Amino acid sequence: GAVVSQHPSRVICKSGTSVKIECRSLDFQATTMFWYRQFPKQSLMLMATSNEGSKATYEQGVEKDKFLINHASLTLSTLTVTSAHPEDSSFYICSATSSTSRLSYNEQFFGPGTRLTVL
Amino acid sequence: GENVEQHPSTLSVQEGDSAVIKCTYSDSASNYFPWYKQELGKGPQLIIDIRSNVGEKKDQRIAVTLNKTAKHFSLHITETQPEDSAVYFCAASRGSGTYKYIFGTGTRLKVLA
Repeated sequence: GAVVSQHPSRVICKSGTSVKIECRSLDFQATTMFWYRQFPKQSLMLMATSNEGSKATYEQGVEKDKFLINHASLTLSTLTVTSAHPEDSSFYICSATSSTSRLSYNEQFFGPGTRLTVL
Repeated sequence: GENVEQHPSTLSVQEGDSAVIKCTYSDSASNYFPWYKQELGKGPQLIIDIRSNVGEKKDQRIAVTLNKTAKHFSLHITETQPEDSAVYFCAASRGSGTYKYIFGTGTRLKVLA
């Protein structure tokens, strides 16, 4: 199956700093990537949808100036948490899909997640 | 808005017994229903999925059923094993290949040895 990686797997930062998380599709071209946030013992909440070469579409309540998403290539999307605060501490998960490759219609492939802790 | 309800939130079964998790979706345009298993500290892993043109699908000990009229779909795990212990999420999605998933609230399954 298709493989999606995330880097870093875990990051600790100070309040007020910015953190960048990378999401890569390793063996397919991802025309669309999704970013989710998951708080402890809760479900995955979609933050934004990112199409390669276009601006991301953010879900209601997600601040686009705080969570910067870039999908500059068909294998890489980045999420930057700007001026992070303790309440941004969460598990961030990306997924990727493709409308053009051999992948199954609709299927999203998920990365392993990034644990962000803001002190 | 679109939402997916999932029950139960926690489920404990004895090893070897069956486990059933149920989901109900609100968006009648949904036509793809995947199920994910998530272990602690890891990303979700697809375990089975079903499309709206099929009523049931089975893969070894795992099966999924879909009732489009009632907007219900269920996950069935037979002969449960301790390694089945995890959090399970259902999701619903529309026809476009790049349309977003709406996730259920999750079920924490514990299989007791």
